[in-house]
Amino acid sequence: EAGVTQFPSHSVIEKGQTVTLRCDPISGHDNLYWYRRVMGKEIKFLLHFVKESKQDESGMPNNRFLAERTGGTYSTLKVQPAELEDSGVYFCASSLSWSRAGLRRTGELFFGEGSRLTVL
Amino acid sequence: GQQLNQSPQSMFIQEGEDVSMNCTSSSIFNTWLWYKQDPGEGPVLLIALYKAGELTSNGRLTAQFGITRKDSFLNISASIPSDVGIYFCAGAVSGSARQLTFGSGTQLTVLP
Repeated sequence: EAGVTQFPSHSVIEKGQTVTLRCDPISGHDNLYWYRRVMGKEIKFLLHFVKESKQDESGMPNNRFLAERTGGTYSTLKVQPAELEDSGVYFCASSLSWSRAGLRRTGELFFGEGSRLTVL
Repeated sequence: GQQLNQSPQSMFIQEGEDVSMNCTSSSIFNTWLWYKQDPGEGPVLLIALYKAGELTSNGRLTAQFGITRKDSFLNISASIPSDVGIYFCAGAVSGSARQLTFGSGTQLTVLP
């Protein structure tokens, strides 16, 4: 079974440019999350999709960030225009639906390898 | 927002030694999780704890969910070179959107 895949693995752009990150979750996983880790800091929640709907986007830093999940399959995270402080590793994770996973598997998020973004 | 204080930030140990790291919070969590991130990879779940006081082992790893629900520790016994990586604690509050709050990570280096 393929895991969570993310593209690109590394992107270097200049301030003001646009970058789009893509995440393909594990097939059958309704929940898709985006997280970000800025150098040396904690992994911070950005947003959560349930299928194609945004369940919680309270962690999105500002309106320069736009996430979509058309058709409830893959997701994209666009940063436009990018700023220096956007640099970091963007992780995507997916999990089974609550009802299918059960209470005891709440935390079983499967992470992708991350997309490292460097804004110069 | 909720925050987790994870310590130590980094550790350098000799192969064969035991390791201990912990997380504390001012907020209550109903689930505590420990993840490991290998270089170039995403975090992978090591141990999940769902009940206050719970002590769970996974091979050489042992983790406990604190009685107060505000802390957790992870122990690694007899460390080996492949234990190298970043260890993250994470907490979740049931009934939420299942978003996790992560600690800042413990970078573990195992010296031969």
